[in-house]
Amino acid sequence: QVQLQESGPGLVKPSETLSLTCTVSGGSISSDYWSWIRQPPGKGLEWIGYIYYSGGTNYNPSLKSRVTISIDTSKNQFSLRLTSVTAEDTAVYYCARNSLQLARAFDLWGQGTMVAVSS
Amino acid sequence: DIQMTQSPSSLSASVGDRVTITCRASQTIGTYLNWYQKKPGKAPKLLIYAASSLQSGVPSRFSGSGSGTDFTLTISSLQPEDFATYYCQQSYITPRLTFGGGTKVDI
Repeated sequence: QVQLQESGPGLVKPSETLSLTCTVSGGSISSDYWSWIRQPPGKGLEWIGYIYYSGGTNYNPSLKSRVTISIDTSKNQFSLRLTSVTAEDTAVYYCARNSLQLARAFDLWGQGTMVAVSS
Repeated sequence: DIQMTQSPSSLSASVGDRVTITCRASQTIGTYLNWYQKKPGKAPKLLIYAASSLQSGVPSRFSGSGSGTDFTLTISSLQPEDFATYYCQQSYITPRLTFGGGTKVDI
């Protein structure tokens, strides 16, 4: 079955760039939308943005100026870049699939990766 | 921007109880409403999509209803493994996908 796995540094310094990659296995990334979502400690879920397999994107307006999501269909991966990070960006970051067949619900998730922003 | 308001924010219940969680959208979203279960240290799990469709593999004690702005998640008979936090989420967009604040269900 299709599985998602996040990878990237667990610690990022303030003002630097957070970079994460999600690898999709067991299926093709060339369909549906692919999202990044985060959960700060003790808080709720926040959608960061998504990318369509063709490259079209949609970002959370509150993060739009700092976010870039890209896709590499040859590697079955999509990636997140978040610039100028602060302590408020400390969170568990999840990649997920928005299934077009399920009303764009997030039906598949990675296990999540904790990213701390600290000097 | 579509705001999603869940109530209650937390509730205490016992095994076997019927539990109802509500979610209200700040504008109409049709049936673009999904429900997730979140346990500590685990990724969220999709329970209900399109307001009332049960995701494959999810027990039938979970059900969803509603359309427009008002939605409900019901657990007909709470089981020990159901103690978790539940989130609603609108996938109508405009301009962002948004989650409710969550409802923590504990003993």
